[in-house]
Amino acid sequence: QQQVKQSPQSLIVQKGGIPIINCAYENTAFDYFPWYQQFPGKGPALLIAIRPDVSEKKEGRFTISFNKSAKQFSLHIMDSQPGDSATYFCAARLGAASKLTFGTGTRLQVTL
Amino acid sequence: NAGVTQTPKFQVLKTGQSMTLQCAQDMNHEYMSWYRQDPGMGLRLIHYSVGAGITDQGEVPNGYNVSRSTTEDFPLRLLSAAPSQTSVYFCASSYQQGAHSPLHFGNGTRLTVT
Repeated sequence: QQQVKQSPQSLIVQKGGIPIINCAYENTAFDYFPWYQQFPGKGPALLIAIRPDVSEKKEGRFTISFNKSAKQFSLHIMDSQPGDSATYFCAARLGAASKLTFGTGTRLQVTL
Repeated sequence: NAGVTQTPKFQVLKTGQSMTLQCAQDMNHEYMSWYRQDPGMGLRLIHYSVGAGITDQGEVPNGYNVSRSTTEDFPLRLLSAAPSQTSVYFCASSYQQGAHSPLHFGNGTRLTVT
């Protein structure tokens, strides 16, 4: 059972474009929604995170938009760069434990 | 700081063999966990621990054992390896349970079971 659905599976954008990665969840008890970035051969690393009482959060070129009523959230990367080429995972946390349920990942390629 | 260290980086096993994947963190984190990463499946939680002496099952625990005798170490044991356990395994830790404690991942162990 996939509790966090992520799309698209892969994405190719040109340098300067704005890739958007979407996630949808079922469980309304999730209370924390982080995004992780993973480069080949490395473990995922926290990129940005949001709580469900906030509709948008920006950190540098990265923005999370959160729609609580639709149970959806998305990652936008402004002015994308080739160095942003990586796999991105959305995730959701349930309760006080640090257990995270991850989406299936989006492989982003930013071309010159 | 080394962060989260996983060994080995690569391992090939034959069906039925056993092995232990090592994970150590030097950040004095209370929470440690093991995930497996498979194509199209994302990261799935195998086992986790909220402190020394305490472990619990995640989403896909079958075929794996863990123990937490110290704060620093959280080994993952495969008792009898199966081809379905071919995967990349990640250990992750965080300072404490809670929303503001990001998970710190190791660089993974790529396991192939033939």
